[in-house]
Amino acid sequence: QVQLVQSGSELKKPGASVKVSCKASGYTFTSLVINWVRQAPGQGLEWMGWINTNTGNPTYAQGFTGRFVFSLDTSVSTAYLQISSLKAEDTAVYYCAREYGLDYWGQGTLVTVSS
Amino acid sequence: DVVMTQSPLSLPVTLGQPASISCRSSQSLVHSDGSTYLNWFQQRPGQSPRRLIYRVSNRDSGVPDRFSGSGSGTDFTLKISRVEAEDVGVYYCMQVTHWPPVTFGGGTKVEIK
Repeated sequence: QVQLVQSGSELKKPGASVKVSCKASGYTFTSLVINWVRQAPGQGLEWMGWINTNTGNPTYAQGFTGRFVFSLDTSVSTAYLQISSLKAEDTAVYYCAREYGLDYWGQGTLVTVSS
Repeated sequence: DVVMTQSPLSLPVTLGQPASISCRSSQSLVHSDGSTYLNWFQQRPGQSPRRLIYRVSNRDSGVPDRFSGSGSGTDFTLKISRVEAEDVGVYYCMQVTHWPPVTFGGGTKVEIK
């Protein structure tokens, strides 16, 4: 069965970096894009972008360029989201989701940025 | 960017009664390939979102048949024929016809009266 398993919660100080992983199983990893979606506390869903798992080509939504980087390790069917120069407003749950229609989602990773 | 507007924001429903959520887009969601890429998601409290409906009216595997989606162009509706306790949560519409970006509606919170 299809599963996306994300890494655990992170507590970081402002200015630090964080790398969130999303490990896929149950299908051919390189056949479908992986999306990243942010949900700030008590807020709705915000699409951050996706990465083509076949070519490695990322597409970023406005507001998620510069400090946000999507990457892959296809040898272990894993996508990564790295956020640098963390700010308090980056505190959120970050989800990965499969394919253009977002049919399967990971369990989410809470990133808390606090001094 | 395509703006997705959901109503109502909050929907108190009596168990066993129907519920209806509206989603309007700022432009037609009909793709040049003829398909309409409008999906609906359910997010129960403390859980990840789960896709219920794709391409307007197709139920995902395992989704109860009390959930149905309809609409065309810029106007779409998610209906729950008889609300059950497990249906409590926030429902989002999402379009992926015009990307980037993919855009979500603001969400509709379904609660039991």
